[in-house]
Amino acid sequence: AQKVTQAQTEISVVEKEDVTLDCVYETRDTTYYLFWYKQPPSGELVFLIRRNSFDEQNEISGRYSWNFQKSTSSFNFTITASQVVDSAVYFCALSEGGYSTFIFGSGTRLSVKP
Amino acid sequence: ETGVTQSPTHLIKTRGQQVTLRCSSQSGHNTVSWYQQALGQGPQFIFQYYREEENGRGNFPPRFSGLQFPNYSSELNVNALELDDSALYLCASSNRLAGHNEQFFGPGTRLTVL
Repeated sequence: AQKVTQAQTEISVVEKEDVTLDCVYETRDTTYYLFWYKQPPSGELVFLIRRNSFDEQNEISGRYSWNFQKSTSSFNFTITASQVVDSAVYFCALSEGGYSTFIFGSGTRLSVKP
Repeated sequence: ETGVTQSPTHLIKTRGQQVTLRCSSQSGHNTVSWYQQALGQGPQFIFQYYREEENGRGNFPPRFSGLQFPNYSSELNVNALELDDSALYLCASSNRLAGHNEQFFGPGTRLTVL
């Protein structure tokens, strides 16, 4: 069965703190894709990153970094030096190979206070 | 390049009525998926359309139906509305031939059922 778990419902940090959002997934497929999306109050899902199951390299993009570990079925997302504009709900999603629908986690609401 | 658009932005209906939501896919995309996002939850997959046919369905009753048109735009129809149908409805388009399962989301239609 496919499943995505985001155990952290809400996180509150003060600006400039680093914060890590956890994502654990379950799948029986050997080919799959993992995604992170940001959902600001406006509601639109904003794409952040895509990773396929054959690429375990960690990635850094500005203040964002992602740690993909197949051994623990985790795909964690770290924001370095958080800013108020990072406040949003963040979703992790799983898509199995050959079928482009997504299984979303329940989301983590991040509040960054000045 | 035009992104995914949805109409209307907001909609208020009463229980028992019928509603039609519309989605225009991103240029070059041939697949449309619909998701329901209840307040405080992650998006849930409703169904997907490819080549004007339903190509996968989540755990939603038959009163949720859809269409895809030759220009790849799509409609979501919900009959006999229930209070629990109140949610943000998200449309996502993708290119099935691209092979990386990436989906691009529209801004959503917020449906309120009274």
